[in-house]
Amino acid sequence: DVKVTQSSRYLVKRTGEKVFLECVQDMDHENMFWYRQDPGLGLRLIYFSYDVKMKEKGDIPEGYSVSREKKERFSLILESASTNQTSMYLCASSFDLLYGYTFGSGTRLTVV
Amino acid sequence: AQKVTQAQTEISVVEKEDVTLDCVYETRDTTYYLFWYKQPPSGELVFLIRRNSFDEQNEISGRYSWNFQKSTSSFNFTITASQVVDSAVYFCALSDFYTGTASKLTFGTGTRLQVTL
Repeated sequence: DVKVTQSSRYLVKRTGEKVFLECVQDMDHENMFWYRQDPGLGLRLIYFSYDVKMKEKGDIPEGYSVSREKKERFSLILESASTNQTSMYLCASSFDLLYGYTFGSGTRLTVV
Repeated sequence: AQKVTQAQTEISVVEKEDVTLDCVYETRDTTYYLFWYKQPPSGELVFLIRRNSFDEQNEISGRYSWNFQKSTSSFNFTITASQVVDSAVYFCALSDFYTGTASKLTFGTGTRLQVTL
């Protein structure tokens, strides 16, 4: 069964910490995405990548960066975590939009 | 800019009732895709359907049906004879249209459906 795996289901970090959220897919997909999900705001795109070492900003990139050194792995980095980055983070991958996205189960990050 | 509006924040129905989830979208593109995803309590979004802008045929899959009307920019989702297992958050999404492989989705805010016995 094809999969997108996010390394942590729940994470608690302190303000100012550097935080890494990891996402791995086993489907050889070119495209990978990071969204955050907040009540009343739906899913908002942070960054996406359509190839190794390629990245593009989404709608809300401020305070985040990403890394894609290998095709299967797409990391989201919070350079200095803040309380307003407390959220559910969802990773997704796709081969082609015709087939939709495959999502991971999400990482619920709390910044205290 | 792309926009998807799901005006219904939360809907509660009793099992076996029919329920329709509304989705209205805005785009300047003439070619685009529309999607519905289901997010059960486990958290993982599940792809339900994709519809392209050229195809306004309604679609039925078991108890699920979708009504796409380009004239009103709507892509509504109906569950017939709802069941408790349908309880979830449902998201409507719209693609932009670059090359297909680099396209990304804009999601609505979601509708939480609660089906009770």
